[in-house]
Amino acid sequence: GAGVSQTPSNKVTEKGKYVELRCDPISGHTALYWYRQSLGQGPEFLIYFQGTGAADDSGLPNDRFFAVRPEGSVSTLKIQRTERGDSAVYLCASSLRRGTDTQYFGPGTRLTVL
Amino acid sequence: SQQGEEDPQALSIQEGENATMNCSYKTSINNLQWYRQNSGRGLVHLILIRSNEREKHSGRLRVTLDTSKKSSSLLITASRAADTASYFCATGLGSSNTGKLIFGQGTTLQVKP
Repeated sequence: GAGVSQTPSNKVTEKGKYVELRCDPISGHTALYWYRQSLGQGPEFLIYFQGTGAADDSGLPNDRFFAVRPEGSVSTLKIQRTERGDSAVYLCASSLRRGTDTQYFGPGTRLTVL
Repeated sequence: SQQGEEDPQALSIQEGENATMNCSYKTSINNLQWYRQNSGRGLVHLILIRSNEREKHSGRLRVTLDTSKKSSSLLITASRAADTASYFCATGLGSSNTGKLIFGQGTTLQVKP
């Protein structure tokens, strides 16, 4: 079946603007994760959803970042008042059930803040 | 904060040779996963090994886990040019597993034809 999809694939915005990044998990997967990856680094955890609720949001860097998953499927990562330091590839992953299952990653959204 | 550290940071070998990458971590884990990434985009899952397992195989891949030494290794046998990529280990934390994976900085593997 289809894998995890993310839109847009690239997003260029100006400092101070608001952006939304979308993730469509693998159908039937209840767990969804957001990570971000800076150049030359490994992915860094942001938030984990089990169903509709955020089970762990300890990785969100500050209150400019928040994410929703209102129907337990598609998720949106929202960044307010973007800063140049927010530039990175934002990766979404999903797993079948629990957080201990294999995580399958999408292709990512490359965010550039000018 | 990063938990895993891969060694070496970069590895260059000839096609047909074996490649070994190592990963060390600091805290107790529930599982450890290895991923491959091409061109800085999507990660491809390779193998998941749980804390009560010591070795797993998948095709040309062999993963070992030593929880007493808090380390894991990924062996790619008979490497191919298509194996050129970055390889990451990621740990799922034990006891209060939240689903969070903590990644290392990765090993960049180049396989020369």
